[in-house]
Amino acid sequence: DAGVIQSPRHEVTEMGQEVTLRCKPISGHNSLFWYRQTMMRGLELLIYFNNNVPIDDSGMPEDRFSAKMPNASFSTLKIQPSEPRDSAVYFCASSRDRGTGNTIYFGEGSWLTVV
Amino acid sequence: GEDVEQSLFLSVREGDSSVINCTYTDSSSTYLYWYKQEPGAGLQLLTYIFSNMDMKQDQRLTVLLNKKDKHLSLRIADTQTGDSAIYFCAETGFSGGYNKLIFGAGTRLAVHP
Repeated sequence: DAGVIQSPRHEVTEMGQEVTLRCKPISGHNSLFWYRQTMMRGLELLIYFNNNVPIDDSGMPEDRFSAKMPNASFSTLKIQPSEPRDSAVYFCASSRDRGTGNTIYFGEGSWLTVV
Repeated sequence: GEDVEQSLFLSVREGDSSVINCTYTDSSSTYLYWYKQEPGAGLQLLTYIFSNMDMKQDQRLTVLLNKKDKHLSLRIADTQTGDSAIYFCAETGFSGGYNKLIFGAGTRLAVHP
């Protein structure tokens, strides 16, 4: 079975550019999570969706960040404009139910470097 | 609020046991988890324990839960070089009617010959 698929795996961009990260959750999963991982702050939950509806976006750092889930098989996380402090690994994860951890599956991550 | 704390580093000799510790704050957490992250990869669920249990064993892994002290530990028996990774403790937090995972900062386990 295909797991959570993220793209791009690696991206290097210049400050001020728009960055779009993409995620395809596991088929049949109805919850989707975006996490950010940095050395300084560890793993932070940015936003999560249930049945394509944003449930909690309190972790989104600021207005430069936005996330959408137009359908059950696709989500995007957009940063506009990007800044060097946004450099991190961004993980997408999905689960079948309301998010009990025994069913949460992570993608391989998108490694973002903003120069 | 919710918070999960772990020590950042642990170094062990191959063949010895490793014990990774974690403390959490939310006493209402239903499940507590251990995830493993290998270099360049995402997080993989290793094991979890339900909050009404004290211990769970799964092959080389033993999870101990002390609810009174809000302390969780992961013991890896006969540690191998392939166990070198970052190990994350996580608890469930409840928000907007839904559960979410709160992660610790991760413990980097280094296994040396």
